[in-house]
Amino acid sequence: ILNVEQSPQSLHVQEGDSTNFTCSFPSSNFYALHWYRWETAKSPEALFVMTLNGDEKKKGRISATLNTKEGYSYLYIKGSQPEDSATYLCAFSPDTGGFKTIFGAGTRLFVKA
Amino acid sequence: NAGVMQNPRHLVRRRGQEARLRCSPMKGHSHVYWYRQLPEEGLKFMVYLQKENIIDESGMPKERFSAEFPKEGPSILRIQQVVRGDSAAYFCASSPNTYNEQFFGPGTRLTVL
Repeated sequence: ILNVEQSPQSLHVQEGDSTNFTCSFPSSNFYALHWYRWETAKSPEALFVMTLNGDEKKKGRISATLNTKEGYSYLYIKGSQPEDSATYLCAFSPDTGGFKTIFGAGTRLFVKA
Repeated sequence: NAGVMQNPRHLVRRRGQEARLRCSPMKGHSHVYWYRQLPEEGLKFMVYLQKENIIDESGMPKERFSAEFPKEGPSILRIQQVVRGDSAAYFCASSPNTYNEQFFGPGTRLTVL
């Protein structure tokens, strides 16, 4: 069974804090790892897609790293702002001949002003 | 460039009726994914389609559920003889290629009475 685990489940930080979340996925049959941001009452919005071991991606204050050999990815947010409050989802695409995308349960981030 | 459109946004059905959910992908996107979010759960992959073809339906229940993506028109997720357990949010996403970032629609909230 292909499983994607995210930790922590939720996180409360103060404005200005930097934070990071973890996504664990099967290290075999890897094809791609996605990060999405999902604000309440909106649709998930793509942040990054990573395919290569050692990939690092950055968008503004948000960055992500990928380790396919050990099966984990980190998402970092530098200087959190209240508008960063959202659920951050990671999703794993296996290279098994099918094309499913398996989502983790997400990390719910609350940033207090 | 309009985003991914889904309709209806809210759908109420009585047990035993049929539900039809529509998804119009972004312009230029020929890949469509359907996901289900049950209450208090994360996004679960259902089916991946390209124009006129079902590529991976491994996440879709074997009975009562079907999906299509015709040459012309939106993708349709059809649920026959709905039961209360089908009550969920159904999201579709589109992408220009396999494994690219997916662009999500606003979802259809199905309530079965």
